[in-house]
Amino acid sequence: SQQGEEDPQALSIQEGENATMNCSYKTSINNLQWYRQNSGRGLVHLILIRSNEREKHSGRLRVTLDTSKKSSSLLITASRAADTASYFCATLIKGHKLIFGTGTRLQVFP
Amino acid sequence: EADIYQTPRYLVIGTGKKITLECSQTMGHDKMYWYQQDPGMELHLIHYSYGVNSTEKGDLSSESTVSRIRTEHFPLTLESARPSHTSQYLCASSESGRDYGYTFGSGTRLTVV
Repeated sequence: SQQGEEDPQALSIQEGENATMNCSYKTSINNLQWYRQNSGRGLVHLILIRSNEREKHSGRLRVTLDTSKKSSSLLITASRAADTASYFCATLIKGHKLIFGTGTRLQVFP
Repeated sequence: EADIYQTPRYLVIGTGKKITLECSQTMGHDKMYWYQQDPGMELHLIHYSYGVNSTEKGDLSSESTVSRIRTEHFPLTLESARPSHTSQYLCASSESGRDYGYTFGSGTRLTVV
């Protein structure tokens, strides 16, 4: 990958369970962002965490950032079938380039 | 809800043809980007622009070219399409400053036969 890896590559859970996805990156960053992509469509921005922040919440989403380990995690609580999608982390480097990870495919079964 | 539009949504074209993928945004964003994504794979930045008459190549080498004559319009052109250009092309835009997410279009899925 050009910047980092996401883990796991694929995740299957039941509705109501929590889903956790991890992202590691290689270089220093300005911020880290998470996006969702439904079935080959365009990406939707979910949440952004700055390099000086450690945790951020938005609805059922919780993002953590550990710059010492160059890693982040996305937690989706009480998942729904509609959460089925691919999730990508992306890091903003050199102030202006957004570089994407390899993505995690999440499937939520009703 | 997207204010960034890509056309066509799907395109199947023969080898050697010249094609232009359109991307327009109505948000007044200065920054615009083109990414290439193969099925199930990560996105690769191929072109970006910070404003009118500003274009730069991204991290992935691409035989395509772009232009930015108007703020809202960022078309991508392939002078002579080849099967290796078969991919999904995603256009995005963002506000100036570091703490803004990108807004993506729905993409153009290109197949060169």
